[in-house]
Amino acid sequence: NAGVTQTPKFRILKIGQSMTLQCTQDMNHNYMYWYRQDPGMGLKLIYYSVGAGITDKGEVPNGYNVSRSTTEDFPLRLELAAPSQTSVYFCASSYVGEQYFGPGTRLTVT
Amino acid sequence: DQQVKQNSPSLSVQEGRISILNCDYTNSMFDYFLWYKKYPAEGPTFLISISSIKDKNEDGRFTVFLNKSAKHLSLHIVPSQPGDSAVYFCAALAAQKLVFGQGTRLTINP
Repeated sequence: NAGVTQTPKFRILKIGQSMTLQCTQDMNHNYMYWYRQDPGMGLKLIYYSVGAGITDKGEVPNGYNVSRSTTEDFPLRLELAAPSQTSVYFCASSYVGEQYFGPGTRLTVT
Repeated sequence: DQQVKQNSPSLSVQEGRISILNCDYTNSMFDYFLWYKKYPAEGPTFLISISSIKDKNEDGRFTVFLNKSAKHLSLHIVPSQPGDSAVYFCAALAAQKLVFGQGTRLTINP
């Protein structure tokens, strides 16, 4: 099992550009999540999904969009990148209880 | 509104001694608590958890204690080893969503 994989590992975006962060899990988990972690802070939930076709907002959803067309994939879309979106993004999945995290994507918006 | 708080940003402990990391929460609806460990440039990895119906859970060198009346939990690591140096996050689960504390950076000195 690869677990949770994320691509890319690093990305630099110009203000106003768009991009999609990819997340895939091979554990057949129903629940998937996107978090961001800013320096010195804990992880904040952006969006989550309880199964294919179902998504909902977390604590900090503004500026992001998600879709969940399959159990395995949960991409996160940034439409108009802003400097405030400079962060490390983590995807996670779970069946029940503990969540399993991917290695993260470090995004810089300049 | 910080529902999960880790008031110590950092902790330094001698190798072989006990490390105690603390966490406080405010929401009585939390029914499951977890500790995650995070190395630089990696995603958080699950360490140990405790259900709200218990007051202690042990796994090898790691023990988590829960005091529901005080809304407080702690992670004890004994004996501490150099590989334990990492950032530790406390998290609380409600409705399959995790709320994280800000993290405590633990440094184990030889």
